[in-house]
Amino acid sequence: GAVVSQHPSRVICKSGTSVKIECRSLDFQATTMFWYRQFPKQSLMLMATSNEGSKATYEQGVEKDKFLINHASLTLSTLTVTSAHPEDSSFYICSAREGPDRGRSPLHFGNGTRLTVT
Amino acid sequence: AQSVTQLGSHVSVSEGALVLLRCNYSSSVPPYLFWYVQYPNQGLQLLLKYTTGATLVKGINGFEAEFKKSETSFHLTKPSAHMSDAAEYFCAVRGMDSSYKLIFGSGTRLLVRP
Repeated sequence: GAVVSQHPSRVICKSGTSVKIECRSLDFQATTMFWYRQFPKQSLMLMATSNEGSKATYEQGVEKDKFLINHASLTLSTLTVTSAHPEDSSFYICSAREGPDRGRSPLHFGNGTRLTVT
Repeated sequence: AQSVTQLGSHVSVSEGALVLLRCNYSSSVPPYLFWYVQYPNQGLQLLLKYTTGATLVKGINGFEAEFKKSETSFHLTKPSAHMSDAAEYFCAVRGMDSSYKLIFGSGTRLLVRP
């Protein structure tokens, strides 16, 4: 089955530093990837939609200069949390769409990244 | 706009008992509906989906869901709960913008008692 690899699974960084999270589709090409943020015991909040070769589309209220998304290839999207602060601590999950039919094609999820900013 | 509502943030059942997780949707067009499961500190795994056709959808791990248009519901069921079913379950509806992003419900935590 389709596999999405997300790395790292856990990261601890100091306040003010930047952290990059990678999301790779291992056995399929993903023209669209999505980045979600999940607070403890809450649902997934969509942060942005990433399309290969174009700028990401951010959801309302998400700072695009703070959460930099790059989707340079059909198998890799990255999320960089810049100048991280403790309030950025969260569980970040990426997903990738398999197949050209955007309406029917399933989303496959990575295993998430637990970010802790100290 | 599309949305989903999951009734009950926590559901507790005994092992072997029926599992019923409720999901109601709102959609201005025929919806595509999904159920995902999340284990602690992991991503989401697709259990099943409804797009068109048969309204009773069978998924993995013995789960199934029935699309009821008249009730705008897509409840998830399993005849007999297993301890390994304990997890967080999310219902989702496909959005209708060009990205077809998924819109998730608030989630239901399933607890299975021995």
